[in-house]
Amino acid sequence: DAKTTQPNSMESNEEEPVHLPCNHSTISGTDYIHWYRQLPSQGPEYVIHGLTSNVNNRMASLAIAEDRKSSTLILHRATLRDAAVYYCILRDHNNDMRFGAGTRLTVKP
Amino acid sequence: DTAVSQTPKYLVTQMGNDKSIKCEQNLGHDTMYWYKQDSKKFLKIMFSYNNKELIINETVPNRFSPKSPDKAHLNLHINSLELGDSAVYFCASSQGIRGEETQYFGPGTRLLVL
Repeated sequence: DAKTTQPNSMESNEEEPVHLPCNHSTISGTDYIHWYRQLPSQGPEYVIHGLTSNVNNRMASLAIAEDRKSSTLILHRATLRDAAVYYCILRDHNNDMRFGAGTRLTVKP
Repeated sequence: DTAVSQTPKYLVTQMGNDKSIKCEQNLGHDTMYWYKQDSKKFLKIMFSYNNKELIINETVPNRFSPKSPDKAHLNLHINSLELGDSAVYFCASSQGIRGEETQYFGPGTRLLVL
């Protein structure tokens, strides 16, 4: 299985942008890059996903490196409610999602 | 409306008992999953059903038996509960099994085995 590497934790100040990195050097051509987050005492929540091009939605932006070996989740203005564990996951057709340890984001007021 | 719901939310039981956790999704999805999140917070896939058929069965003790009576439901029955079964169990669903599909998770069932 293609695996991802993320920092264990990151801190951000409220209302500042946050860039959460993910390395996936063994990604295959058909792997989609998914980001989920898990708020305290809740189930994981979809954030964004992409294949090759950068993606934007109402929650975040996903910047994918040209060689696809890394990606960055961008929260444009962090709020206290964005404090969560963020998971970067690779998923191919017919394959399950393998969650790693994720990055615990702390947002300071 | 809750997209993916689980019952019960909390479950406290004794070792050796048999218990079931129910999951229902009202999204019209074809695929449903069970995940286990242990005390170290790692989320692991246990089972996946697509159109009521088992497609993923990770290395899970056969004391765990999923049952899908229809596409909207995937229940998890656990026999002879052990202390190590204490965890949070999440149900999820997706439209299909393609790589770009989004999974929607339930709120979790917190199981404590005493």
